[in-house]
Amino acid sequence: TQLLEQSPQFLSIQEGENLTVYCNSSSVFSSLQWYRQEPGEGPVLLVTVVTGGEVKKLKRLTFQFGDARKDSSLHITAAQPGDTGLYLCAGARGFGNEKLTFGTGTRLTIIP
Amino acid sequence: EAQVTQNPRYLITVTGKKLTVTCSQNMNHEYMSWYRQDPGLGLRQIYYSMNVEVTDKGDVPEGYKVSRKEKRNFPLILESPSPNQTSLYFCASSSDGPYSYTFGSGTRLTVV
Repeated sequence: TQLLEQSPQFLSIQEGENLTVYCNSSSVFSSLQWYRQEPGEGPVLLVTVVTGGEVKKLKRLTFQFGDARKDSSLHITAAQPGDTGLYLCAGARGFGNEKLTFGTGTRLTIIP
Repeated sequence: EAQVTQNPRYLITVTGKKLTVTCSQNMNHEYMSWYRQDPGLGLRQIYYSMNVEVTDKGDVPEGYKVSRKEKRNFPLILESPSPNQTSLYFCASSSDGPYSYTFGSGTRLTVV
């Protein structure tokens, strides 16, 4: 059973467009992280959100944690070819559970 | 440079031949973890360690062993590899639990 569902699985858009990627679960997480992975490399942490409703911005990327701490979104404004990659959300259950569970990922391609 | 180092990067082996994938971090992190990444299944946690001599199973521990005798090293041992263990493996470390992992560059294992 996949605890974290990401949508869409694949997304290909033109440079300059906006996009949103979703990460959904029926479980509550103490925190949720977003990573980006490029071919041949390990995932790189982009952001961690810990409070329900929290919004964090990283340049053109905006991350939001759902009020109930079951879902999250990543919005990219004016996408650039350098944003191309596999975006992964990951949830930590906390409360003594030290596991980190990953979603299946969204593969994003930005066309110049 | 702060990093997680895995070796080897690529490995082809035969069924049943014991192998070890090494992982070392130079950041004095307490938490370390092993993941495998498979198409359509995403990243799945194999084992994790909260400190020296403290390890616990992740979601897919069958067929794997780990040890944490020193803080910096967390080797992954496959006692009798099978073809279904062909995968891309990642080691990761963190200073504050499952909240901000730094990943290695991966080990691509093929078992024939």
